[in-house]
Amino acid sequence: AQSVAQPEDQVNVAEGNPLTVKCTYSVSGNPYLFWYVQYPNRGLQFLLKYITGDNLVKGSYGFEAEFNKSQTSFHLKKPSALVSDSALYFCAVRDGGTYKYIFGTGTRLKVLA
Amino acid sequence: NAGVTQTPKFRVLKTGQSMTLLCAQDMNHEYMYWYRQDPGMGLRLIHYSVGEGTTAKGEVPDGYNVSRLKKQNFLLGLESAAPSQTSVYFCASKETVVPEQYFGPGTRLTVT
Repeated sequence: AQSVAQPEDQVNVAEGNPLTVKCTYSVSGNPYLFWYVQYPNRGLQFLLKYITGDNLVKGSYGFEAEFNKSQTSFHLKKPSALVSDSALYFCAVRDGGTYKYIFGTGTRLKVLA
Repeated sequence: NAGVTQTPKFRVLKTGQSMTLLCAQDMNHEYMYWYRQDPGMGLRLIHYSVGEGTTAKGEVPDGYNVSRLKKQNFLLGLESAAPSQTSVYFCASKETVVPEQYFGPGTRLTVT
């Protein structure tokens, strides 16, 4: 069965430091992977995706993600965190060849000034 | 271009009451989805639609019904609300060839 795991409920990082939010996945076939961000009382916003190609994917607001096939991971990264990056981050994967998507449980990122 | 909108934003129901949540999108997207978001559980798919007049069950469909009579609208119905349906409900849509989804702002539903 397809699944997505976000092992950390919360990640704290100091402003200006690099940040990583972890995601591992289990899918059959080639994975379509996504990161979304949710600010308080808002819907989810698309950040970036991996479909094929370069393992390092760049997205919105300076975020990037590294696809690692051998480790089945798709970690979200940013070289220098901002307080305004504080939000809830979701990793998602397309469910095989369907049009359904499976979301992780979310990781709350807190950037400390 | 409003994107994806949801009506209402908040609602309180008593157990056994019924209601319909409306999702509307003005992007001419084929696919539409209803999710519920609960603490510690992420987003779970309730129902989805791959086009006008079609619907399909997701991960947690029990207690919900949906209809997609018009391409731009996707309705989620609760026939007899239960406290377990207290949640935040999100609608999303996507284009046929582009895999990422666009989300509405959510509806916070409380069932007492």
